[in-house]
Order: sequence, then structure tokens, then C-alpha cells
Amino acid sequence: TQLLEQSPQFLSIQEGENLTVYCNSSSVFSSLQWYRQEPGEGPVLLVTVVTGGEVKKLKRLTFQFGDARKDSSLHITAAQTGDTGLYLCAGRPPDTGFQKLVFGTGTRLLVSP
Amino acid sequence: DAGVTQSPTHLIKTRGQHVTLRCSPISGHKSVSWYQQVLGQGPQFIFQYYEKEERGRGNFPDRFSARQFPNYSSELNVNALLLGDSALYLCASSFIHASYSNQPQHFGDGTRLSIL
Repeated sequence: TQLLEQSPQFLSIQEGENLTVYCNSSSVFSSLQWYRQEPGEGPVLLVTVVTGGEVKKLKRLTFQFGDARKDSSLHITAAQTGDTGLYLCAGRPPDTGFQKLVFGTGTRLLVSP
Repeated sequence: DAGVTQSPTHLIKTRGQHVTLRCSPISGHKSVSWYQQVLGQGPQFIFQYYEKEERGRGNFPDRFSARQFPNYSSELNVNALLLGDSALYLCASSFIHASYSNQPQHFGDGTRLSIL
């Protein structure tokens, strides 16, 4: 069974601070996606990383896929209150023959003014 | 363009009843997947349907079933409801099925199911 563990589970910071969220597994994934979910809504895709070692930037967010495609990180620079939400990583297992995402346990981020 | 739409948004049922949840994918999307998200956890994969056929199934009991219609909309059915079935049920659509594709999945806002 493939599992994705995220850390930390909860993070409460002040506006302007930097933070990093980690997503780790002992299994290889063909790709990894990061989502943000707000209360009462479905997850919204932020980014997809495919190649081991890949780094993608989305404004103040930087995503990295581990060289072995088993882990990923999300770094937010100068956090804003609008970054508050539940951050989920989700991996696509290789060779499943169908579309399935294995989701991480989630990191709940609260950014205070 | 409309995103993935799910109905109803909220539902309250009692143990032993059955429920049908509905999903309309983004126009042009032929693949629909269902996920269960229990409070405080990440979503868990239930089913994927493509071109009206089941293409993948997660580790859920036979009480869970689904189908996809010619217009690519989908229904998730759950029989003999248990308290543990209380969750947010999410539907996601994507453009194509290809197993090695990294086509993004677009999620609806879900149906919040509460079992009393």
C-alpha cells in the first residue's frame, strides 16, 4: 500500500514568514500534484511535477520533486493570509493502468495578519 | 465554462439507508473519479470511470457502486449506510484516461454526507 505522509500536520505563522511543507513516501510515484483545499470546497490543483529533481515556481510558491520521485516539498515565501488552507500532496502510482491519486494526510496552514 | 458540479451539496441519512450522489464533469471530460474524504484526512480513491466503464477501484466494500452515463455524468451509490460513511464525497474529472497520462484532475466541491 502506497502512503504519503505530510509534515507538519498543522502550521500557524505570521504574515511575511516563510514555511516549508514536506510530503514523503517509501514508494515511487510517476508524478506528484499539490492541491489547496478551503473549507466547503474541493481541492484546487496548484502544480504537477513529473521529473525527478524538478523544481517549479508559482509566484511565491516553490515546488520540488525528489530525485527518486518518492518525496516532494512546497516552500512558501512571505506568506499571506490568503495562503491559509489545507495543503494536500497527491501521487500517481506507476503502472496502475487507471487514474488514481494517493493523497497525503494534509497540512493545515493558518497565516495570521 | 462550468467546473465539476456535484449534487446535492449536503445530505443527512440514517444507518441502513442508501444514497445516490451525482456528478457532472467539465464539458469535454470523459473520465470521472470518486473520492471519499473523512474529516481531518486526505481524500481516498473509490472509483474511476471512463467511457462508461469502470477502470479502477479502490479498497472499498461492495456497498459502494457507481456508473457513468452516455453524457459522461456519473452517480455514486452507497447501500446499507454506516456511521463511518459520513464524509465529504468528491468527484473529479479529467480529459482523457490514458494510464500514463498526467492529465490533471479537476475536483468538484463535494457532497457532505452525514449519517445519524
